[in-house]
Amino acid sequence: DQQVKQNSPSLSVQEGRISILNCDYTNSMFDYFLWYKKYPAEGPTFLISISSIKDKNEDGRFTVFLNKSAKHLSLHIVPSQPGDSAVYFCASSRGSTLGRLYFGRGTQLTVWP
Amino acid sequence: DVKVTQSSRYLVKRTGEKVFLECVQDMDHENMFWYRQDPGLGLRLIYFSYDVKMKEKGDIPEGYSVSREKKERFSLILESASTNQTSMYLCATLDSSNTEAFFGQGTRLTVV
Repeated sequence: DQQVKQNSPSLSVQEGRISILNCDYTNSMFDYFLWYKKYPAEGPTFLISISSIKDKNEDGRFTVFLNKSAKHLSLHIVPSQPGDSAVYFCASSRGSTLGRLYFGRGTQLTVWP
Repeated sequence: DVKVTQSSRYLVKRTGEKVFLECVQDMDHENMFWYRQDPGLGLRLIYFSYDVKMKEKGDIPEGYSVSREKKERFSLILESASTNQTSMYLCATLDSSNTEAFFGQGTRLTVV
């Protein structure tokens, strides 16, 4: 049973515009959320995170928003660049599980010129 | 910088072979993980370990085993490789705050 869901397998955005990637979770015990970016033939790399005590975290062009009541988070990339084209994974964790991360299935972002 | 190194980038093995995937980390992290990534299925946890000689099953352990004899090394073993184990295998380690996972570069395994 998927506890972290990314319902859009793909997203296509023009360069310079905003990319919004969405993620939903079902487990109310999750208290930490992360986004990873993955290029083909490479391991995922950490992008940005947010804890459940916050509703927003920003790092340069990347902002993550958390809506705890809706069990929803989103990643905003502004402005989008062609180099952002990759698969983005949402992940969640809860403190009692020895740090195990639960991953969504990923969203393929394509940024075209 | 944390370094997580997987022994091979690409492997081709025959059905029925015993396959070893090795992962080494240099940051003294307790927790280590093996995932496989398949199109449309995301990252699925096979096994993880939170200490030397300790192991826990993940979501899809069937057909796999693991070994953690030393803190820095976590091995994934395919006892008898099958074609449905063709996949990208990713090793990860967790930092001391148990929040951010660091991944290796991945091993693309093809079983023929």
